[in-house]
Amino acid sequence: DVKVTQSSRYLVKRTGEKVFLECVQDMDHENMFWYRQDPGLGLRLIYFSYDVKMKEKGDIPEGYSVSREKKERFSLILESASTNQTSMYLCASSPPGRNIQYFGAGTRLSVL
Amino acid sequence: RKEVEQDPGPFNVPEGATVAFNCTYSNSASQSFFWYRQDCRKEPKLLMSVYSSGNEDGRFTAQLNRASQYISLLIRDSKLSDSATYLCVGNVGGTYKYIFGTGTRLKVLA
Repeated sequence: DVKVTQSSRYLVKRTGEKVFLECVQDMDHENMFWYRQDPGLGLRLIYFSYDVKMKEKGDIPEGYSVSREKKERFSLILESASTNQTSMYLCASSPPGRNIQYFGAGTRLSVL
Repeated sequence: RKEVEQDPGPFNVPEGATVAFNCTYSNSASQSFFWYRQDCRKEPKLLMSVYSSGNEDGRFTAQLNRASQYISLLIRDSKLSDSATYLCVGNVGGTYKYIFGTGTRLKVLA
């Protein structure tokens, strides 16, 4: 079974803090994604990575950056957390040539 | 207008009922479609892909109508365990871009 692991299920941070969300997958997938999910808005893509050190902006990259130093790990960074970044963050990975995304359990981030 | 639109529901149906959800899409470049299931406070999981010819997986049937730009999911003989949110997803051909609907919530009642 594919396993996508997100380091934290719940996080509470203060405005202005730098926040790291970690995601690890164990299936050697090239493609990895970070989404946020908000009520009434669905899942929105923040960043996508198709290989080590390669990244593409998604629909809502402002206020976020990412790092992919190793194939199995894709990190989302909030440089200076703001209250409007309170959300559920979902990481996903997908194998090349297959339109299936495997999601991690999600990190519910609250920024106070 | 959202690129993928779904009725949020909830659809409350008795056990054993047949229920159908529709999803409309506006981006004609979307080529592949999927239904994902998301349980409360859990991650989305792929339920099934949707093919133009229609496809079935047990009690679940998915259809794609490209002319009218909608996708449907039919669930027969509903079970309590089918209670979840169903997400309609389109993929723009040849890209990494997946467009998610906001989901349709189903509650199957005993």
